[in-house]
Amino acid sequence: GQQVMQIPQYQHVQEGEDFTTYCNSSTTLSNIQWYKQRPGGHPVFLIQLVKSGEVKKQKRLTFQFGEAKKNSSLHITATQTTDVGTYFCAGQGSGGYNKLIFGAGTRLAVHP
Amino acid sequence: DARVTQTPRHKVTEMGQEVTMRCQPILGHNTVFWYRQTMMQGLELLAYFRNRAPLDDSGMPKDRFSAEMPDATLATLKIQPSEPRDSAVYFCASGISARATQTLLYGYTFGSGTRLTVV
Repeated sequence: GQQVMQIPQYQHVQEGEDFTTYCNSSTTLSNIQWYKQRPGGHPVFLIQLVKSGEVKKQKRLTFQFGEAKKNSSLHITATQTTDVGTYFCAGQGSGGYNKLIFGAGTRLAVHP
Repeated sequence: DARVTQTPRHKVTEMGQEVTMRCQPILGHNTVFWYRQTMMQGLELLAYFRNRAPLDDSGMPKDRFSAEMPDATLATLKIQPSEPRDSAVYFCASGISARATQTLLYGYTFGSGTRLTVV
């Protein structure tokens, strides 16, 4: 079945450093979504990517969807302590009743 | 802001008892999901409804779990009998999916979750 792998599992950075998390799917995706979950909270939707090669930016966050629509990345420039949390990618397959499958998430710790 | 409402927020129960978790999706959302989150397994999809019809519950242990949508404003997840390994945070999420392709048009909105502890 469809699998979504996400790396790294954990990332510790100093405030001001950059951060990147990567997501790979075993199958071609119709779209990929990114969520952020703060400690003790619930996942909150960040963005959806649909087109091959798509790049979207939200302030210091840059999201990319691969040309083959099987991989994606989230890059944060100049991390801040408010970026702390777990970042999940979630991929939806194409055709039929397709579930949104979440990656295991990357937990980001930012040291001031 | 529109919210997905889950009740109860916390539940502690004894092994063998029935547990019912409730979710009120956002009005107008046609797709509802139940996920379970644990440290070991991450976010696991348990059940998936579109227009109240169950589309996929392959992630759910059928012998003890059941999920229903008695109407468009209520989704329920029941565990009977509960076991300690069911201890987790259970999230409900709702969204809008296209009729033909089932593709989600926007992101899901998650509820705050029900933290279940079975002792």
